[in-house]
Amino acid sequence: DGGITQSPKYLFRKEGQNVTLSCEQNLNHDAMYWYRQDPGQGLRLIYYSQIVNDFQKGDIAEGYSVSREKKESFPLTVTSAQKNPTAFYLCASSPCIVDCEAFFGQGTRLTVV
Amino acid sequence: SQQGEEDPQALSIQEGENATMNCSYKTSINNLQWYRQNSGRGLVHLILIRSNEREKHSGRLRVTLDTSKKSSSLLITASRAADTASYFCAPLNTNAGKSTFGDGTTLTVKP
Repeated sequence: DGGITQSPKYLFRKEGQNVTLSCEQNLNHDAMYWYRQDPGQGLRLIYYSQIVNDFQKGDIAEGYSVSREKKESFPLTVTSAQKNPTAFYLCASSPCIVDCEAFFGQGTRLTVV
Repeated sequence: SQQGEEDPQALSIQEGENATMNCSYKTSINNLQWYRQNSGRGLVHLILIRSNEREKHSGRLRVTLDTSKKSSSLLITASRAADTASYFCAPLNTNAGKSTFGDGTTLTVKP
């Protein structure tokens, strides 16, 4: 099955800890994205990558870090510098930047305890 | 960044009725996409309309685009309870390299 997979589905983190969210796609897409969604709100762009070994900050990158060492993988690390990390995190991929739809994973719900 | 703003924030209708959602944006675009999100799930792409198109259809969906007014609308005809979801628009300007999403319209279709 082709698709985009996020894991885990639920994640709990203690305050002060870093945590890494996984995003893998086997669609051979160049572009990948990370979004954050808070309850009742839309998606806010954290980071995006248009090609392997390159990524750009989105609108709310502070407290987050990413890497893009492989085309199929775009992990997101939520660092202890992120003051309010509890949220729903969505990863997406797209075959191109222009005129292409984005394919979304099923999300990871992160809760800080 | 280019952000779409959906209106209304919430819409409640009876099954069989039509549902219309609107999207406004501020700068010029190359295309605009509509997505659907069921509660607690990822987004699913519905339709893409390019800046040189005025209307597009896909099944029970009809999307219009008015670039002079910087607005788009999504019409769902003969709605079903299964259409209950949040709907987001995503305008894209290629110079920006990315599009962002508004807060969406939450549609509730009552059986």
